[in-house]
Amino acid sequence: QVQLVQSGTEVKKPGASVKIACKAEGYSFTNYAMHWVRQARGQGLEWMGWINVDSGNTRYSQKVQGRVTITRDTSASTVYMAVTSLRYEDTAVYYCARDRNGGLTYGMDVWGQGTTVIVSS
Amino acid sequence: ETTVTQSPAFVSATPGDTVSISCKASQDIDDDLNWYQQKPGEVPVFIIQEAHTPVPGIPPRFSGSGFGTDFTLTIFNIEPEDAAYYFCLQHDKFPLTFGQGTKVEIK
Repeated sequence: QVQLVQSGTEVKKPGASVKIACKAEGYSFTNYAMHWVRQARGQGLEWMGWINVDSGNTRYSQKVQGRVTITRDTSASTVYMAVTSLRYEDTAVYYCARDRNGGLTYGMDVWGQGTTVIVSS
Repeated sequence: ETTVTQSPAFVSATPGDTVSISCKASQDIDDDLNWYQQKPGEVPVFIIQEAHTPVPGIPPRFSGSGFGTDFTLTIFNIEPEDAAYYFCLQHDKFPLTFGQGTKVEIK
């Protein structure tokens, strides 16, 4: 069964960093790219970035570029997203979501369960 | 960046109604648009790919149409279980962008 299992809730102070994990199960990890998307409470979805899991190439939204880094560990079938210099407005549920393709993007098909990140002093 | 404008933000329907949701892209994206359904407290579910192709396992009452800049998700004979938040995603170019979402309420 294809599934993405994300790490647990994080509570961080403003200015801190967080690293979220997304473990892929049930499929060939390097055949599909991965996205990160976030959703603040009561808000819409915001695309943050993408990684070609095979090559390691990444793309980021301009809004988070410079604060977000997406990496992968192929031996662990896991993708990570690190966010630095956290702000109150980074409080959201963060989803990893598998792309339907390994290279060119066709959008997401399978989503992780979400990781809540709370930025609070 | 391709902006996607989704409307309406909210729709209230009675079981058996037909509901239509629109997404308009700020530039031509061919048919590079997907639709998703998200029920409260759940993760998004992929329902329509490439603007008009249903994802396997999705009920046939969900239908997508459009090409270029104008797209529509139509739910025929809507059922109570279809109460959810629906959103579109353009994947023609990076950065990927989402519509603002539509909340569908069933009376």
